[in-house]
Amino acid sequence: NAGVTQTPKFQVLKTGQSMTLQCAQDMNHNSMYWYRQDPGMGLRLIYYSASEGTTDKGEVPNGYNVSRLNKREFSLRLESAAPSQTSVYFCASTPGPFRANYGYTFGSGTRLTVV
Amino acid sequence: AQRVTQPEKLLSVFKGAPVELKCNYSYSGSPELFWYVQYSRQRLQLLLRHISRESIKGFTADLNKGETSFHLKKPFAQEEDSAMYYCAPFFYGGSQGNLIFGKGTKLSVKP
Repeated sequence: NAGVTQTPKFQVLKTGQSMTLQCAQDMNHNSMYWYRQDPGMGLRLIYYSASEGTTDKGEVPNGYNVSRLNKREFSLRLESAAPSQTSVYFCASTPGPFRANYGYTFGSGTRLTVV
Repeated sequence: AQRVTQPEKLLSVFKGAPVELKCNYSYSGSPELFWYVQYSRQRLQLLLRHISRESIKGFTADLNKGETSFHLKKPFAQEEDSAMYYCAPFFYGGSQGNLIFGKGTKLSVKP
């Protein structure tokens, strides 16, 4: 039972390069989320997908794009990486947009460094 | 505006001492409330949720609607409790609810 799987676990990019962070869940969850975690800032929501076929901006969407490829997969793309995007990125999922009582299941994170 | 505050960045206690991690929120309605824990370099895990009134690893949290607080408590801290703790209210709004995380409190339990 893998839960939420993120790839890659670590990545170093040069400023201006692009990359896609992958996230997949095998729990048949409808809603998926991307957060970034920075020291002293906690977790901030970048984008979310309440259900397959929908995506919405969170608190800090600038510089990112997302794709809900199917019910299982939700990817995060950095088109032109900047040092300010150095962070740890977490993907999460939950059964549905209002099923908070089930809690969120998180992936193990992607540690991204932009130089 | 929806807001969650964890006033302490770092809380350091000795093993066996009581622990209280503070959390205050501002919201016009009644949010669902959660505590998440992140052990060193691991993924975030759900610690407890207020609606189930459960006790996990000896931790409890009581919702005080008057003070809009949801403090996390444990009577006797253990070294393995050292971790980052996040208070996370779930706010309902429009067509979507969202989990909003506080900035976290790092708990360090010394031997």
